[in-house]
Amino acid sequence: GDSVTQMEGPVTLSEEAFLTINCTYTATGYPSLFWYVQYPGEGLQLLLKATKADDKGSNKGFEATYRKETTSFHLEKGSVQVSDSAVYFCALRRGYNTDKLIFGTGTRLQVFP
Amino acid sequence: NAGVTQTPKFQVLKTGQSMTLQCAQDMNHNSMYWYRQDPGMGLRLIYYSASEGTTDKGEVPNGYNVSRLNKREFSLRLESAAPSQTSVYFCASSIPGQGTYNEQFFGPGTRLTVL
Repeated sequence: GDSVTQMEGPVTLSEEAFLTINCTYTATGYPSLFWYVQYPGEGLQLLLKATKADDKGSNKGFEATYRKETTSFHLEKGSVQVSDSAVYFCALRRGYNTDKLIFGTGTRLQVFP
Repeated sequence: NAGVTQTPKFQVLKTGQSMTLQCAQDMNHNSMYWYRQDPGMGLRLIYYSASEGTTDKGEVPNGYNVSRLNKREFSLRLESAAPSQTSVYFCASSIPGQGTYNEQFFGPGTRLTVL
């Protein structure tokens, strides 16, 4: 069945370092892809999305490109801040006829000053 | 505009006890969801409601029941709690839409411990 695989965390970085969190997926058809972020003590929030191959989603300095050839949607940020410390979830939506999401296991990011 | 609210925030139960987790949204969304979040497992869908009066099983429905009381409220009931149901529970809502994606908005979660 459809699934999302994320790199295990925690990812520990110093402020202003470059961030990559890997995400790969398995799905039939043409899924839409998402990154959600969960700050400590809060629910998840949509960070960015991409709905077709080669689309680039971006928000708050974060970017991810939908790569169909490698079935990947890696999250990147050029310079992280302490306030980016959170858990990041990659997710897919199977198709147009559903709003149900399949989530990865989440990757915790810790940024130190 | 409170968004998605959940009560209670924390709960401790003994094995075999029952309880209902409450969820309400004030965004006039049609779709509502219940997820559980466990370490190393991510979020897993328990139940889903596409509209008032309809519910559908998700990935892990066993041991749970739901009620879509009206458009605003979607409750999750544990009839006989088990330690395996210790988890953080999230409610979410969205406007469903074919051909496009409408963001799911999440509540702050309920942390449940079953002893």
